[in-house]
Amino acid sequence: QVQLQESGPGLLKPSETLSLTCTVSGGSISSYYWSWIRQPPGNTLEWIGYLTPSGTTKSNPSLESRVTISVDTSMNQFSLKLTSVTAADTAIYYCAKIKTGGASWDYWGQGTLVTVSA
Amino acid sequence: QSALTQPASVSGSPGQSITISCTGTSSDVGSYNLVSWYQQHPGTAPKLIIFEATKRPSGVPNRFSGSKSGNTASLTISGLQAEDEADYYCCSHAGSYIYVVFGGGTKLTVL
Repeated sequence: QVQLQESGPGLLKPSETLSLTCTVSGGSISSYYWSWIRQPPGNTLEWIGYLTPSGTTKSNPSLESRVTISVDTSMNQFSLKLTSVTAADTAIYYCAKIKTGGASWDYWGQGTLVTVSA
Repeated sequence: QSALTQPASVSGSPGQSITISCTGTSSDVGSYNLVSWYQQHPGTAPKLIIFEATKRPSGVPNRFSGSKSGNTASLTISGLQAEDEADYYCCSHAGSYIYVVFGGGTKLTVL
């Protein structure tokens, strides 16, 4: 049973860089595709980006210029960096495993709320 | 405004059936069978209940079913139960550039 856990600061100031880590257990990070997804309070979901088993990444075109997704296979973790944050980046950030076949997520972390406020 | 259109709310009584629609375009729902549905209770992460438009993950009751016709996908819940009260989101593959788009979500109230 795959389990995911997000970690990172919960409060940022505008213009700072959001940095989150997702720790995976119960499965090798090199065996599956992984994603970051966010959900502003009271709003719908937004796909941020994904990581492939070979370590390549792809980001949502709307966020691409600010997003970096990286992997640490030795720690079975992957990470998200989002630069130049604003209040619009306030959201619950989830890491999730992409189900084989694509475009759906079968395992999710509990989510972590990141608030951007001066 | 979300890329996929869902009704903001639906309601039904215990035992009844409800259907939630998810309308996209020929660039997403209409082009791929990669439509998924998620159930989200307050304060929890989304849970996958339908993938590839019509398939249920193991452990999801067969009261939940998915279908797709043209640019519209649908989620039907039969035999409504109190615990089905939640928010429901649809999602569709939208090609290699955009990857996926989500619906705005539907709040299901069990009366």
